[in-house]
Amino acid sequence: QVQLVQSGAEVKRPGSSVKVSCRAPGGTFRSNVITWVRQAPGQGLDWMGAIIPLIGTTNYAPKFQGRVTITTDKFTSTVYMDLSRLRSEDTAVYYCASVGDFGGDWGQGTLVTVSS
Amino acid sequence: DIQMTQSPSTLSAVVGDRVTITCRASQSVGSWLAWYQQKPGQAPKFLIYQASRLQSGVPSRFSGSGSGTEFTLTISRLQPEDFAIYYCQQYDTYPWTFGQGTRVDFK
Repeated sequence: QVQLVQSGAEVKRPGSSVKVSCRAPGGTFRSNVITWVRQAPGQGLDWMGAIIPLIGTTNYAPKFQGRVTITTDKFTSTVYMDLSRLRSEDTAVYYCASVGDFGGDWGQGTLVTVSS
Repeated sequence: DIQMTQSPSTLSAVVGDRVTITCRASQSVGSWLAWYQQKPGQAPKFLIYQASRLQSGVPSRFSGSGSGTEFTLTISRLQPEDFAIYYCQQYDTYPWTFGQGTRVDFK
């Protein structure tokens, strides 16, 4: 399994952007897919997008297309999720998760609060 | 998008019960189906991948079955630490999608 560590909580103003990181302390994502999922307070899980770090290909959920960008830095085994044009409804816990041939793992979550 | 529907939405049970949760997909997802457990204030935890494979470290009382459009998660003998919310997710076709969750609570 690829264990994942995320960056800390953020407070952002409406209209701004946030960048959350997800690092594999073990040094590699192997061939796993790294996905981003968010969970608004009291709600279920909402899939945002994914990247295959080994080859850099990405895929995004239509509802986030145009606002979310997922990138990777292979040298530091870190994946980033950038969400732009933030609004209050984007207040949520954002998780990265690794999915591969032997299951996967989740990061600990990053709370992003959007407030004026 | 592939719609994932779980039933029931809430399940009341006691310790020792056999519990079954169903997940239905709006179209075939093969065996690309995962199950997660989430407790309050915690990140989700992998239980099952590829419909029936047990994630390393997960107790053997958890099992998954199914393929195509219908899947089940079974807890053979419910333990106190199993009271939680369970989600299914298909990862056959982008965008990957989750079920709405099943809350397992005390009867």
